[in-house]
Amino acid sequence: GAGVSQSPRYKVAKRGQDVALRCDPISGHVSLFWYQQALGQGPEFLTYFQNEAQLDKSGLPSDRFFAERPEGSVSTLKIQRTQQEDSAVYLCASSLAGLHNEQFFGPGTRLTVL
Amino acid sequence: ILNVEQSPQSLHVQEGDSTNFTCSFPSSNFYALHWYRWETAKSPEALFVMTLNGDEKKKGRISATLNTKEGYSYLYIKGSQPEDSATYLCAFPRMDSSYKLIFGSGTRLLVRP
Repeated sequence: GAGVSQSPRYKVAKRGQDVALRCDPISGHVSLFWYQQALGQGPEFLTYFQNEAQLDKSGLPSDRFFAERPEGSVSTLKIQRTQQEDSAVYLCASSLAGLHNEQFFGPGTRLTVL
Repeated sequence: ILNVEQSPQSLHVQEGDSTNFTCSFPSSNFYALHWYRWETAKSPEALFVMTLNGDEKKKGRISATLNTKEGYSYLYIKGSQPEDSATYLCAFPRMDSSYKLIFGSGTRLLVRP
């Protein structure tokens, strides 16, 4: 079956531009996570959805970052007024609900802010 | 503060060499440890989810062990092949409502033919 997909795979933005990154999770997966991976570091948690409810957004670095999952499936991560420090790979993961469930990752969107 | 550390940061080996790397994590309130392999331009792929002290899991030439009392896990690759070249990440789920993963910074493995 299809895995987690993300689009675009690569995005170059000028500083100050708004961007929107899309995640299509595995069908039926209740949980959806966004992570940010800066160069040379491991992925860091940004936000978590259970169905359409955003239950944890403690990892969002500033109020320029906004995520939504209005129908409990596709999610969009929006970054307003991008800054150079936003350059990173943005990973989306989905899983079934529950403690033991593995998170399945998409290939990520590499964002470069010039 | 939850901290997951991996070593070495990078590793270059010759094809056929066996290798291993380490993941250290807080031993208190342990629940599980995840290992992922992340090849360039691909999705991170789950290798193992380890939960019990003394666990040893194997997938082909790759195996992992777990020591929850001292807070470490080893990943071993026997007879490395160029296709094993990737970043190997370990991660520790936070025991709150989301079970978000706390990742180490990874070990970048390059296997030379």
